[in-house]
Amino acid sequence: DVKVTQSSRYLVKRTGEKVFLECVQDMDHENMFWYRQDPGLGLRLIYFSYDVKMKEKGDIPEGYSVSREKKERFSLILESASTNQTSMYLCASSSLAGGTGELFFGEGSRLTVL
Amino acid sequence: AQRVTQPEKLLSVFKGAPVELKCNYSYSGSPELFWYVQYSRQRLQLLLRHISRESIKGFTADLNKGETSFHLKKPFAQEEDSAMYYCALSGWGAQKLVFGQGTRLTINP
Repeated sequence: DVKVTQSSRYLVKRTGEKVFLECVQDMDHENMFWYRQDPGLGLRLIYFSYDVKMKEKGDIPEGYSVSREKKERFSLILESASTNQTSMYLCASSSLAGGTGELFFGEGSRLTVL
Repeated sequence: AQRVTQPEKLLSVFKGAPVELKCNYSYSGSPELFWYVQYSRQRLQLLLRHISRESIKGFTADLNKGETSFHLKKPFAQEEDSAMYYCALSGWGAQKLVFGQGTRLTINP
């Protein structure tokens, strides 16, 4: 059974704290993505990565950074958390083979910033 | 720019009635369109994609390039269809998806 695992399901942080969200996939996928999911706004792409050490900005990268040191792991970093970053964060992965690949999603990390 | 619009945030129908979830897109090139679904307490997952032309769980969706639409349809709704549905778009062969705002479908018994 293919799997995308997000290490933290629920986090509560204070404004200004540094936050790490970790994502691991076991499908040997080249692509990994971070989206945030907000009611009424749908999913918005924060960052994605085509390969190890490669990253590209999505539609809403401000206030976020990412790290991909290993193929299976993609981390989202909030350098200084703010209340408007309270959201559900979804990690996904896909294969490069065969055009636009199916995205496989993790269960999500619900972050609350106080 | 790529854009996906789902005009209905909420949609409620009775079991056995037809369902249509609307999706309109804006893209200058050749698009690939998808529907993703999230059932309660489950991960977001692919429901169907236009290039496969399949019917999944009784749902179909036809890409209408003239109207730039990709509406999701099912002739007879079931209670287990209650979920959040997202329409998504990518450029042909591109790797990233742009999602719509989502429609929460509720099937009443």
